[in-house]
Formats: sequence, structure tokens, C-alpha cells
Amino acid sequence: DQQVKQNSPSLSVQEGRISILNCDYTNSMFDYFLWYKKYPAEGPTFLISISSIKDKNEDGRFTVFLNKSAKHLSLHIVPSQPGDSAVYFCAASPLDSNYQLIWGAGTKLIIKP
Amino acid sequence: DTAVSQTPKYLVTQMGNDKSIKCEQNLGHDTMYWYKQDSKKFLKIMFSYNNKELIINETVPNRFSPKSPDKAHLNLHINSLELGDSAVYFCASSQLQGAGYTFGSGTRLTVV
Repeated sequence: DQQVKQNSPSLSVQEGRISILNCDYTNSMFDYFLWYKKYPAEGPTFLISISSIKDKNEDGRFTVFLNKSAKHLSLHIVPSQPGDSAVYFCAASPLDSNYQLIWGAGTKLIIKP
Repeated sequence: DTAVSQTPKYLVTQMGNDKSIKCEQNLGHDTMYWYKQDSKKFLKIMFSYNNKELIINETVPNRFSPKSPDKAHLNLHINSLELGDSAVYFCASSQLQGAGYTFGSGTRLTVV
């Protein structure tokens, strides 16, 4: 039973345009959400996070939006750059989870020149 | 200077063998993890240690045994390797709940 779902295995976006990656979750006990970026043959790297008390967090070109009623979050990258081509994982942390993260399956983002 | 380093990067071995993967972090984090990325690319937690104490032990065959000699090291020993153990194994560390993990670059284990 997947508690964190990334329904798009891949996404192709033109350089300079906005990339929107989506993530849905089922567990209302999740209180912290994170996005990770992964290049081939490397470990995932932390990108941006959001607490459940917020609905938006922005860091440079990256913005994460959280809609708790819909149990949905999204990552916006604008403008998209070739170096953004990677696999993006959504992860969620339940309350009192002993630091455990529940991961989505990832979305492969391809930025076209 | 690599923050989370795991060795080896690649490991090819025969069924039935015993192997170990080592992980070290120099970030001063209290918590370390082992994750398995399966063929469908899901990242699944296997173990978590906080200050050398086991705090998460997911449903993993007991052929897998983590060992944490100190809070900077978390090694993974696998006995009697099976074909289904082939995967990429990631070590990670973190300091705060929900905060960003720092991952190692992964160990690609291939059992033949």
C-alpha cells in the first residue's frame, strides 16, 4: 500500500518553462514533506521541505505547495534549467516516526534545450 | 571531503556468499539509515540507528544484520546472499526528525 504516490513516472519540459511535479499522500498523520533530487549513480540530495503548518515554501527557483485537504503537494521549478534533469522523489514524515521517511517512486524530469 | 561515504560502490558476488557494505558519516549526525532501492526504484527503509541504538527495523530477512560500532558508522552485513538481494543500497544520516537526510552515493549489489 503506497502511502506516498508520484503518479507521473516521467515529465518532459522545455528549458525556461515551469516544471511541476506532483505528489499525493494518503496518511493524514504525515506532518513534514520533503523533495529530493537524484542524479544517476548518486544518492538522493535534499532539495526543499515543508511543514504541515504551512502551505508554501520557496527557495530560489524551487517552490513547494501543500494542500492538506487534498493530501497533495507539488514542486514548482521556474525557470527550468538543463541541470534540473534528474529523478525527483517526494517523501513524507509521520508524527513520532523516529525519523522515518516514506518515499514516493520518483518522477524523472527531462529538461529539453 | 565526502559527508556520507559507503564502500564498495559496486559489488558482484555469487549466491550463498556473505558480504558487508560499510558506511561512515562525518557530519556529526546522531541517526543513520540503510535504504534499499529495488528494481521499481522505490526507496525502502531497512534499518535506522540513533546513537548506536537500533530504532527502526523493518521487515527485512534476518540474513541482513546492521552493526553500528559508533554513531559515525553503520555497516550492513548480508549472509547467504540471494538473487533477490540485487539492488542499490543507500546509507544516509540525519540530525533532526524530518530534516534532510544526507545520502551516500549507493552500493550496487549484484548477486549472480
